Order: sequence, then structure tokens, then C-alpha cells
Amino acid sequence: AQSVSQHNHHVILSEAASLELGCNYSYGGTVNLFWYVQYPGQHLQLLLKYFSGDPLVKGIKGFEAEFIKSKFSFNLRKPSVQWSDTAEYFCAVISSASKIIFGSGTRLSIRP
Amino acid sequence: GAVVSQHPSWVICKSGTSVKIECRSLDFQATTMFWYRQFPKQSLMLMATSNEGSKATYEQGVEKDKFLINHASLTLSTLTVTSAHPEDSSFYICSAGGQGVGNTDTQYFGPGTRLTVL
Repeated sequence: AQSVSQHNHHVILSEAASLELGCNYSYGGTVNLFWYVQYPGQHLQLLLKYFSGDPLVKGIKGFEAEFIKSKFSFNLRKPSVQWSDTAEYFCAVISSASKIIFGSGTRLSIRP
Repeated sequence: GAVVSQHPSWVICKSGTSVKIECRSLDFQATTMFWYRQFPKQSLMLMATSNEGSKATYEQGVEKDKFLINHASLTLSTLTVTSAHPEDSSFYICSAGGQGVGNTDTQYFGPGTRLTVL
């Protein structure tokens, strides 16, 4: 069965620090990968997605993610975080049945 | 962009009553809608896949007679929690994807409905 793992449950950073959130998936076929963000009190929003092509994907708000097929990874990065990036981040993969499978989420807290 | 709404945003009900939650795609037609449940500080758990004009497909462990799903039109899916009990208290989220929003694999999420069963 397909699954998504996010090993960092809670990450605390200071403003301007660089961010990398890990995401690993288990599926041998073609994958569609997503990062979603859930700001406090708000609904899920799409940050970025990878379907094919350039493995380095640029998203909104300065986020990017790199698809590394050999490592089954799709880590999220941002060179300099802001206080407003405080949120819950979910990595997700589309299953063979076109269903989204979410990781457990990573809570990001930014110290001003 | 694609907007998905849910109504109500929160509801409190007595144990044993039924509650209906609506999910609407406001500016696109959604051939497929998904219903999720999110427990506090946890990820989203897919409950069922709702296809317009056909029966919903439920995930393992989700009672179809308890969580009734109807997708009667391309813009509306409803989830009815029948004979609700306190353990059904949760945050229910829908998502929609379909033709006209770029790619059917991109899902747009509603704001969620907080259900509290007393």
C-alpha cells in the first residue's frame, strides 16, 4: 500500500533560518506529489505539486521542493522563513486510485 | 481560483440525532469529491470518495450506513452523520477536483466543519 512519511513532527526555527521538511513516500510507479499548508484556523491550501518534468518544483510564498526518485523523497525547502510561515505542513501523494494519501504532518513554529 | 465551501462551519448536536454537512464547488464542476476526517493534531483520514451520479466508495473501516454520502450534482456533495455519538465528534473536510480546474488530480479543500456531539 502506498504511504507517506513525514519524520519531523514539530520544527521550531527562528526567523530568517532556512527550512527543510522531510517527506518520503512508498510507491514504485509514477507518482504525483503535493505539499499542502494549513495555517492556524484556515483550510488546506496547495503549496506546490509535482507531476512530471523538472524535479525541482517552485511553489507559492518562496517554497520549493525537490523530487528525488532514487530516495523516494520530496522534501520541502525555503531559504529564509518568516513568522507568517507558522503552520502545519502536509506532504501527500496521489494513489493509483486517484485518492490523496497524506503524511502525518509537520508543525512549523517560527520564533519572531 | 477554484473555491470549495462547506456548510455549516460548525455544528453541535445531541447524541442520536443526524447531521448533514454540505460541500459545494463554487466556480467549477467537480466530478469527484472526497470526504476526510481530521482528529486534533493529526493528519487527514480519507473516509470516502464521492462520484457524481454513482455510489460513494468508502475506505476500509468507515461505516457506509453511518456516514451517508450523496453526490447528486456536479457542484454538491453531502455527508450525513446518522445517529451521531460523541465519538463522531471531529473536523470533517471535503475536497473537490474535476474537469476545468487544470488537472483532475489537484484537489481543492473546503474550510471544514467542526462537529461536536454532546
